[in-house]
Amino acid sequence: DARVTQTPRHKVTEMGQEVTMRCQPILGHNTVFWYRQTMMQGLELLAYFRNRAPLDDSGMPKDRFSAEMPDATLATLKIQPSEPRDSAVYFCASGTWSDRETQYFGPGTRLLVL
Amino acid sequence: DQQVKQNSPSLSVQEGRISILNCDYTNSMFDYFLWYKKYPAEGPTFLISISSIKDKNEDGRFTVFLNKSAKHLSLHIVPSQPGDSAVYFCAASGAGNQFYFGTGTSLTVIP
Repeated sequence: DARVTQTPRHKVTEMGQEVTMRCQPILGHNTVFWYRQTMMQGLELLAYFRNRAPLDDSGMPKDRFSAEMPDATLATLKIQPSEPRDSAVYFCASGTWSDRETQYFGPGTRLLVL
Repeated sequence: DQQVKQNSPSLSVQEGRISILNCDYTNSMFDYFLWYKKYPAEGPTFLISISSIKDKNEDGRFTVFLNKSAKHLSLHIVPSQPGDSAVYFCAASGAGNQFYFGTGTSLTVIP
């Protein structure tokens, strides 16, 4: 049963600390998306990749957020330094460029910055 | 600025009745629309989609209606079941694979 995996599932950290979230997309998928879920904004797209190349990261605060795909099996989202307003659930999703039908979401990383 | 809006944060419906979830969008270039369902502590899962060349798509108990002139879509669930209780997100896409999501509607189906 292929699925997107995300680690860690939960993270509590203090303001100013670095946070790294990891995502393993479904094997064979060539697009990867990072979303942030907040009560006010719903699911906000932070960044997305096609064939490991970033296509759009305009949704990310550039000064503190960075997203990379070191290889086809790993996507990372890093926050440095973290702030309390970054507290949210971060979802990774993967899909195929040729299929607009669906994105498959991971279970999310629930981040709390104190 | 939210390009996809779900103005009802929550909805309660009796089991067996119809649930109607609404979604509005602002970008006339959107041509593909989806509904996702999300249970607590899980990621959203795809439910149903519709292309702008259609005005209705049906899959079992779920039907999505699209009114392009009003920039409005809705999801109908008939009959509603307690297992349908979840948060429902609508999403829209134009050129490319980028989706814009709404803020979600929490549906509670009362047994």
